[in-house]
Amino acid sequence: EAGVAQSPRYKIIEKRQSVAFWCNPISGHATLYWYQQILGQGPKLLIQFQNNGVVDDSQLPKDRFSAERLKGVDSTLKIQPAKLEDSAVYLCASSFSRGAGPSYNEQFFGPGTRLTVL
Amino acid sequence: DQQVKQNSPSLSVQEGRISILNCDYTNSMFDYFLWYKKYPAEGPTFLISISSIKDKNEDGRFTVFLNKSAKHLSLHIVPSQPGDSAVYFCAASEAGGYQKVTFGTGTKLQVIP
Repeated sequence: EAGVAQSPRYKIIEKRQSVAFWCNPISGHATLYWYQQILGQGPKLLIQFQNNGVVDDSQLPKDRFSAERLKGVDSTLKIQPAKLEDSAVYLCASSFSRGAGPSYNEQFFGPGTRLTVL
Repeated sequence: DQQVKQNSPSLSVQEGRISILNCDYTNSMFDYFLWYKKYPAEGPTFLISISSIKDKNEDGRFTVFLNKSAKHLSLHIVPSQPGDSAVYFCAASEAGGYQKVTFGTGTKLQVIP
């Protein structure tokens, strides 16, 4: 079974530039997550999709960050314009869960995209 | 507001000995707890979990203990192996909903051969 794919793996940009990250989740996984991991911190959830609908974007800086999930499969995360504090690893994860419920569904993570904003 | 805390940023253990990684949480609504392991340049991978209705879960060399009254959990690795050297994240999830997971800051474990 192929894992979660992300690209690019590394990106260096100047502040105020735009950048986009791509994620392809595991086939059949209904839920997709984008996390931001700043050096020395744990992953922080930015946005969570259930199929192609957003179920949690409470920690997404919506003035500069946007995300979409095309046809409930691939997803892109965009930053426009970037700030120095956006330097981090952006992790995409997916899980099989099909909706709200008591049982926990394991999240599978991609390798991440390391963004450096100069 | 850090709801999941790992107060030890690093830990060094001799090969063959026990590694104990600790985690504290503040949100009493958390009912499912997980440990993830992360190697450099890779995404986190799920290691072991425990539901709030249990106080212990074991999987091979890995055991997670949960003390709900103290809002504390720990991961025991016995015996520790050099390949266990990685960053370990404690994470927690609330019951129901869409299972948003909150991660701790991580503990870097080094197992010395």
